[in-house]
Amino acid sequence: DGGITQSPKYLFRKEGQNVTLSCEQNLNHDAMYWYRQDPGQGLRLIYYSQIVNDFQKGDIAEGYSVSREKKESFPLTVTSAQKNPTAFYLCASSIGWGDSTEAFFGQGTRLTVV
Amino acid sequence: AQSVTQLGSHVSVSEGALVLLRCNYSSSVPPYLFWYVQYPNQGLQLLLKYTTGATLVKGINGFEAEFKKSETSFHLTKPSAHMSDAAEYFCAVSAGANNLFFGTGTRLTVIP
Repeated sequence: DGGITQSPKYLFRKEGQNVTLSCEQNLNHDAMYWYRQDPGQGLRLIYYSQIVNDFQKGDIAEGYSVSREKKESFPLTVTSAQKNPTAFYLCASSIGWGDSTEAFFGQGTRLTVV
Repeated sequence: AQSVTQLGSHVSVSEGALVLLRCNYSSSVPPYLFWYVQYPNQGLQLLLKYTTGATLVKGINGFEAEFKKSETSFHLTKPSAHMSDAAEYFCAVSAGANNLFFGTGTRLTVIP
């Protein structure tokens, strides 16, 4: 079955630690995205990538980093510089990056700082 | 610039009643519009999308939406609510950018 796999589903982090969220897709999609979801705020774009070895900052990139070494993978690192990292993180992909292309989402990773 | 406003963060309907979730958009260019559904602790699933052509769009699970340019609206409807429709619904707009702009979501509760 084709789809997007995010892991882990739940993640706990101590303050001051970096953590990496995994996102893998087998849809052969060129574009991949990371969104952050907070209650009552909808989804906000962190980073996106249109092609391997290239990525762009979204609206809230501070405190996050990404890489796109393979078409299938787009991991997100939440660094210690992110002041309020507790949130639900969603990875998505689309076949291209045109206006009408729909995004397919993974099941999300819930990150909690303890 | 593009933006989406969803009117009503919470909507409650009785089982079998009409579902109406409101979405208004702002776009400087002709928009592409989407409705997504999210069940608790899950990702988003596409319900339907408007690109061009027919303004009444039918989606999955009996939902449909009508694009009204004059009102800058894209409201989501379903004639008869089912318990399984309880979820959070997001309207999104894409217009000339490599991004979907999401609304803040509407949580639908279905009362038995």
